[in-house]
Amino acid sequence: DAGVIQSPRHEVTEMGQEVTLRCKPISGHDYLFWYRQTMMRGLELLIYFNNNVPIDDSGMPEDRFSAKMPNASFSTLKIQPSEPRDSAVYFCASSSTQGVEETQYFGPGTRLLVL
Amino acid sequence: LAKTTQPISMDSYEGQEVNITCSHNNIATNDYITWYQQFPSQGPRFIIQGYKTKVTNEVASLFIPADRKSSTLSLPRVSLSDTAVYYCLVGALLGGSARQLTFGSGTQLTVLP
Repeated sequence: DAGVIQSPRHEVTEMGQEVTLRCKPISGHDYLFWYRQTMMRGLELLIYFNNNVPIDDSGMPEDRFSAKMPNASFSTLKIQPSEPRDSAVYFCASSSTQGVEETQYFGPGTRLLVL
Repeated sequence: LAKTTQPISMDSYEGQEVNITCSHNNIATNDYITWYQQFPSQGPRFIIQGYKTKVTNEVASLFIPADRKSSTLSLPRVSLSDTAVYYCLVGALLGGSARQLTFGSGTQLTVLP
């Protein structure tokens, strides 16, 4: 398997523009997670899905952020409108629960810069 | 919700054993512990996972005392390529599909020649 795939790897946009980040999880995994990483706040869990259904979006910072998972092999994280404080690295991770533990596999991330 | 505390940074020399401890005083009964490694411009990579006592794999060992209020990642004979940020994660599989995940702030390990 190619692992978790994210696109684009880098995104530079201007404040107010819409940004869409994409993720393809590992085939067969039933959980998908979106994280944001910054120097100030570290790794933050934004939202996660189970079998394409959003389970907990309490980490989504504002209504400007939305995420969808239309099928088992694709998810998007959208920011509309974007602001400079949204600049961060966004990671997607997927997992398949086995027993009482769970291992997440992370993608390479999308580095977002909002000017 | 479990809160995790890790040292901000550690230095070591090539060939030495490195132990990184994560404190999680209010860990719950069902919580498990996972360690990840992250290189610059890459996503975190799974190293090792455990629930209690000791776990060992080909790259590391994880020691969890009986009270489970801390865990120690042990890297034997580190090399320069082990320079990275190491994160501990306390996670719980709650009822149904719910998860509870708390990442530590990370420990920057620098291996010196």
